[in-house]
Amino acid sequence: KAGVTQTPRYLIKTRGQQVTLSCSPISGHRSVSWYQQTPGQGLQFLFEYFSETQRNKGNFPGRFSGRQFSNSRSEMNVSTLELGDSALYLCASSSGTNPGELFFGEGSRLTVL
Amino acid sequence: DAKTTQPNSMESNEEEPVHLPCNHSTISGTDYIHWYRQLPSQGPEYVIHGLTSNVNNRMASLAIAEDRKSSTLILHRATLRDAAVYYCILRGLRGGGADGLTFGKGTHLIIQP
Repeated sequence: KAGVTQTPRYLIKTRGQQVTLSCSPISGHRSVSWYQQTPGQGLQFLFEYFSETQRNKGNFPGRFSGRQFSNSRSEMNVSTLELGDSALYLCASSSGTNPGELFFGEGSRLTVL
Repeated sequence: DAKTTQPNSMESNEEEPVHLPCNHSTISGTDYIHWYRQLPSQGPEYVIHGLTSNVNNRMASLAIAEDRKSSTLILHRATLRDAAVYYCILRGLRGGGADGLTFGKGTHLIIQP
């Protein structure tokens, strides 16, 4: 069974630009959630999608957005990038039916210059 | 959100048992106790979860106190590959779906050969 796939693995952007990150969940999983990991703040929940609907949202500004497609693949977008957005962005998938385990991808490392 | 408290770091010897404590005194009745670990340069990996009863799986055991205000992750025979940051997380149910995970700082487990 293929794991969670995130693309791109690494990217560099400059302040003010926008970025789109992609996540392909494990086949059959309908829930996709996104996390931001920084050395200072640790792992923080961004949002969760289930069957194309945002089901939960963390405490991030509106510059951070996401969506989920009918095949459960998900994208997250960050607009007007700031230096503080430099982080590892992790995607996790689960069946979404109970608080069971999440399967994380290896992440997309974003550097904002 | 209910929070957890873990020691910043712990050290153990290879092939010895490891007991990783977690305090969660404000846990609610519907909060599940989850443990994840994160190896360097990887996304978090699910270890185990439970609600009230002790749980065992191939990776570890989870011992939950009777009042549920604390729990202990037990690695029965630590190996060098178990060196990681271990996160104890409470995860509730809201709106028909699971909450996003709230990660603390976790415990950095060091295994000595």
